Amino acid sequence: KNQVEQSPQSLIILEGKNCTLQCNYTVSPFSNLRWYKQDTGRGPVSLTIMTFSENTKSNGRYTATLDADTKQSSLHITASQLSDSASYICVVSAARRDDKIIFGKGTRLHILP
Amino acid sequence: KAGVTQTPRYLIKTRGQQVTLSCSPISGHRSVSWYQQTPGQGLQFLFEYFSETQRNKGNFPGRFSGRQFSNSRSEMNVSTLELGDSALYLCASSLEQGANINYGYTFGSGTRLTVV
Repeated sequence: KNQVEQSPQSLIILEGKNCTLQCNYTVSPFSNLRWYKQDTGRGPVSLTIMTFSENTKSNGRYTATLDADTKQSSLHITASQLSDSASYICVVSAARRDDKIIFGKGTRLHILP
Repeated sequence: KAGVTQTPRYLIKTRGQQVTLSCSPISGHRSVSWYQQTPGQGLQFLFEYFSETQRNKGNFPGRFSGRQFSNSRSEMNVSTLELGDSALYLCASSLEQGANINYGYTFGSGTRLTVV
């Protein structure tokens, strides 16, 4: 069964600290993995997209890694800011064109001043 | 270039009523997908429309339906509303059908539906 599991469910850190969010998946055959940031009451916004051959991709202070062998991805946030408070959703797509994409339930990140 | 536009932003309905939500995709995008998001379940796929045809469907009851018009705008309808239908309904548009890496999905801000 295609699944995407994210951990932790929620995380609280102080402003300026770093943090790492995890995503494990069982989707097969794998096509791509995306990380989205979703502010409260808004739609998700894409942060990074990675294919099978990519193992690191950065977007400013956000760095995503992918280990296709272990089917794990992480999203590392450096020098966190108050505006990073949001839900971070891992989304995995299967390789077949007509397959639905599979969403993780997200990690709720709270940045404290 | 305008993003994905969803209307209305907020809606309050009573049980048993029906509701229609609207989504205007990014200009040139031909695929529109709908999702239900609740705190407990996260994002759940409802259906995807491409060229006015439903191409994929999630595991939701028949009370949830949709359609797509020739200009790619899409509507979602929920009949006989239940309290559990309270959620944020998101639509996402894409250039082509499916989750192809080259196209990606752009989400709207959603419609917050509250059923009382």
